[in-house]
Amino acid sequence: EAGVAQSPRYKIIEKRQSVAFWCNPISGHATLYWYQQILGQGPKLLIQFQNNGVVDDSQLPKDRFSAERLKGVDSTLKIQPAKLEDSAVYLCASSFNRDRGRGLEAFFGQGTRLTVV
Amino acid sequence: GDSVTQMEGPVTLSEEAFLTINCTYTATGYPSLFWYVQYPGEGLQLLLKATKADDKGSNKGFEATYRKETTSFHLEKGSVQVSDSAVYFCALLNNAGNMLTFGGGTRLMVKP
Repeated sequence: EAGVAQSPRYKIIEKRQSVAFWCNPISGHATLYWYQQILGQGPKLLIQFQNNGVVDDSQLPKDRFSAERLKGVDSTLKIQPAKLEDSAVYLCASSFNRDRGRGLEAFFGQGTRLTVV
Repeated sequence: GDSVTQMEGPVTLSEEAFLTINCTYTATGYPSLFWYVQYPGEGLQLLLKATKADDKGSNKGFEATYRKETTSFHLEKGSVQVSDSAVYFCALLNNAGNMLTFGGGTRLMVKP
């Protein structure tokens, strides 16, 4: 079974520039998450989708971050404009269906390492 | 809100030593608990999980028991190997099954 695919693996941009990340979840997984992992910290949830609807985006800095999941499959996360403090690894994860019960495993991609200079 | 607290690292051990990484949580209801591992240059992988009180999750020689009375899910391994060197994250999935919250991670370094 193919895993969660993310691209690019690495990105270096200057502050105030824009950047976009792409995620392709595991086939059939209805739930998709974007996490931000700052160096030395645990992942922090940015946004969660159930199919193509947003379940939770309470920690997404909406003045600069946006995300979409058209057709309920692939997702893109965009930052515009970027700040120095956005330097982090952006992780995408997917799980089968949050309504199917508790303890469902989330599968993670390798992440995109963003450096803002 | 829900939270997870892990012991700070790094934890440095010699090969074949006993490992304990402490994890405690705060949550309402009956969360599910997980340990994820992140090897250098790789993504997060599920190591083990427990979905109800007194359940024991185990995998690759690692174990953790869901203790509701102490709100803990400590990770243990009887004999660590150099290949176990990684960052370990404790996490909880809330009662509603719609929020996965991570601890800060603990880096383990095993020396030969």
